Amino acid sequence: DVKVTQSSRYLVKRTGEKVFLECVQDMDHENMFWYRQDPGLGLRLIYFSYDVKMKEKGDIPEGYSVSREKKERFSLILESASTNQTSMYLCASREPGLVTDTQYFGPGTRLTVL
Amino acid sequence: GENVEQHPSTLSVQEGDSAVIKCTYSDSASNYFPWYKQELGKRPQLIIDIRSNVGEKKDQRIAVTLNKTAKHFSLHITETQPEDSAVYFCAAAYQAGTALIFGKGTTLSVSS
Repeated sequence: DVKVTQSSRYLVKRTGEKVFLECVQDMDHENMFWYRQDPGLGLRLIYFSYDVKMKEKGDIPEGYSVSREKKERFSLILESASTNQTSMYLCASREPGLVTDTQYFGPGTRLTVL
Repeated sequence: GENVEQHPSTLSVQEGDSAVIKCTYSDSASNYFPWYKQELGKRPQLIIDIRSNVGEKKDQRIAVTLNKTAKHFSLHITETQPEDSAVYFCAAAYQAGTALIFGKGTTLSVSS
């Protein structure tokens, strides 16, 4: 059973703080993703990674960076948190296949920036 | 890049009725179309998916249809039950391993 875990379920930070959100998957998946989920806006892609040390910008990368030093871990970094980054952050991992491309999500981190 | 539009944003049905959610995509190169269900307070989970070489796929009460020419795909749920109440997301990707781009979601409410 694939497990995707995130370091925190709830996080409260202050404006201007540097914030690290950690994601770990245990299925040796090559692809990992960070989304943010806001009411009425669905799941928006922030960054993704095809492999270790590789990263690609998604639709809303501004204000975020990522790090993937090990295959199982993908970190999302808010360099200087702002109130408009208050959101639910979902990590996901996926192993592309010929039949299906199941993407597994973590439980999410609800981040509040005050 | 890919853009996925999803309708309706909310859908209310009576138990036993059918529910249909529709999505359109912009990139004709997209070839993988999954549907995810997210129950309240839980993570999204895959419920069914379809590839562009198939027009329809069924799994018990759930079916997905794909019209490549029109670039739209739909989720059909028959004999709805209260436990079908959730937010449903469609998504598209243009090749294996690329990022899924999601629609904005449909909140389905099934009343008994």
